Amino acid sequence: EVQLLESGGGLVQPGGSLRLSCVASGFTFSNYAMNWVRQAPGKGLEWVSGISDGGDITDYADSVKGRFTISRDNSKNTLYLQMNSLRAEDTAVYYCARGIYGSGWFPWGQGTLVTVSS
Amino acid sequence: EIVLTQSPGTLSLSPGERATLSCRASQSVSSNYLAWYQQKPGQAPRLLIYGASSRATGIPDRFSGSGSGTDFTLTISRLEPEDFAVYYCQQYGTSPYTFGQGTNLEIK
Repeated sequence: EVQLLESGGGLVQPGGSLRLSCVASGFTFSNYAMNWVRQAPGKGLEWVSGISDGGDITDYADSVKGRFTISRDNSKNTLYLQMNSLRAEDTAVYYCARGIYGSGWFPWGQGTLVTVSS
Repeated sequence: EIVLTQSPGTLSLSPGERATLSCRASQSVSSNYLAWYQQKPGQAPRLLIYGASSRATGIPDRFSGSGSGTDFTLTISRLEPEDFAVYYCQQYGTSPYTFGQGTNLEIK
C-alpha cells in the first residue's frame, strides 16, 4: 500500500524551530517529486514547498522562503521540512504529498499539527 | 501567481441530486494541470480528478471533471451521503501551486 506518514509536529514558541519528517512506503520514493502543504485551523490548503525526485531542485512559497528548508534522504525514504523563525501564522496541519508528473498529488499523509504560540 | 476562485462557497443539496462546482483561474492553467480534491473533517485531502478530466484510481464514475484554460467544473452526477464534504481545486502546472478556497457541499 502506498503510504506517507508525517511526524515532528508540536508546540513551539515564536522564533523557534522544528523539523518535520515524512516517511514513505509502498513505492519507489526516489522516483517522485514531493511536496509539503499546510492547512491553518478552519482554513483552506496552502502549498508550502516542493522538491524534485533527486533533491537537486527545490521551490518555496513566498510566505516561507528564507525560513523553511525542504530536503530528502532517498536512502531512508524520508522527506523533511526544517522550519526556522516560526511565526504564529505558521500554525497549521502540515501534510506531505507525492507528486506524480502531470497526474496530481497522491497520496497525502495524515498530517502533523504545528502550533506556534507563547 | 494563479488565483483560483471556487463557486459557490457553500452548496446545499440532497442525496440523489446533481452537484456542479466551479473553479475559475486568473490566467490559463498550464497543460490543464487542474486537480480536484475532496476533504472530510479530520482527514487529509483525497485526489478525485487530475488533468482537468481524468479520474484518479478508485474514484467512482459519478465524479467527472471538465473544462480547459481558465474555467473548470467538477460534477457529481448523483450525490451519495458520503459525498458531502469540502472540495478544493488546485493548479499544479505553474509554481507557486495554488488551491481554490474550497466549496462546502452540505446536506440540505
